[in-house]
Amino acid sequence: KAGVTQTPRYLIKTRGQQVTLSCSPISGHRSVSWYQQTPGQGLQFLFEYFSETQRNKGNFPGRFSGRQFSNSRSEMNVSTLELGDSALYLCASSLGPGGPNEQFFGPGTRLTVL
Amino acid sequence: ILNVEQSPQSLHVQEGDSTNFTCSFPSSNFYALHWYRWETAKSPEALFVMTLNGDEKKKGRISATLNTKEGYSYLYIKGSQPEDSATYLCAFLSNTNAGKSTFGDGTTLTVKP
Repeated sequence: KAGVTQTPRYLIKTRGQQVTLSCSPISGHRSVSWYQQTPGQGLQFLFEYFSETQRNKGNFPGRFSGRQFSNSRSEMNVSTLELGDSALYLCASSLGPGGPNEQFFGPGTRLTVL
Repeated sequence: ILNVEQSPQSLHVQEGDSTNFTCSFPSSNFYALHWYRWETAKSPEALFVMTLNGDEKKKGRISATLNTKEGYSYLYIKGSQPEDSATYLCAFLSNTNAGKSTFGDGTTLTVKP
């Protein structure tokens, strides 16, 4: 069974631009969560999607948004990029939302904002 | 804001040593605690999902215990090997917001041959 895939793996953008990251979950998994890791910080929760609905959102500004499609693939978008958005963005999929469901992480997208 | 703390921040041991580290989390509204291992240049890998007070889980030389009443979990590694070198993360899920994982900052373990 293929694992979680994320595209692109690396991305360089300039301040003010916007970016879209993609996550394809493991087949059969319907829940996708997104996390941000910046240097010196732990994993920070961005959002969780299940059945095309955003169920939870972390403490991030409205510039961060996401969506999930009917095939459970998810995208996250960051508009008006700032230098502080440079980070590793990870997505994780699970069979169902939260709790006892084991999460499987993708390889991440490394975003650099210049 | 939920507070999940891990200690120590880093640990250096010799091959063959046994070691343990701690994850502290809120003792109220517990739903689940996850442990992950994150090796450099790889994705975080799930180790254990713990849901019941008193849970003890084991996978090979790694085991974990859970005390939800006092809000802590221990991860033990018996006979550490260089391949155990990684950052170990715990993530707390509250029953008031079960889909949101709050991660600790991790314990980075280095095992010297």
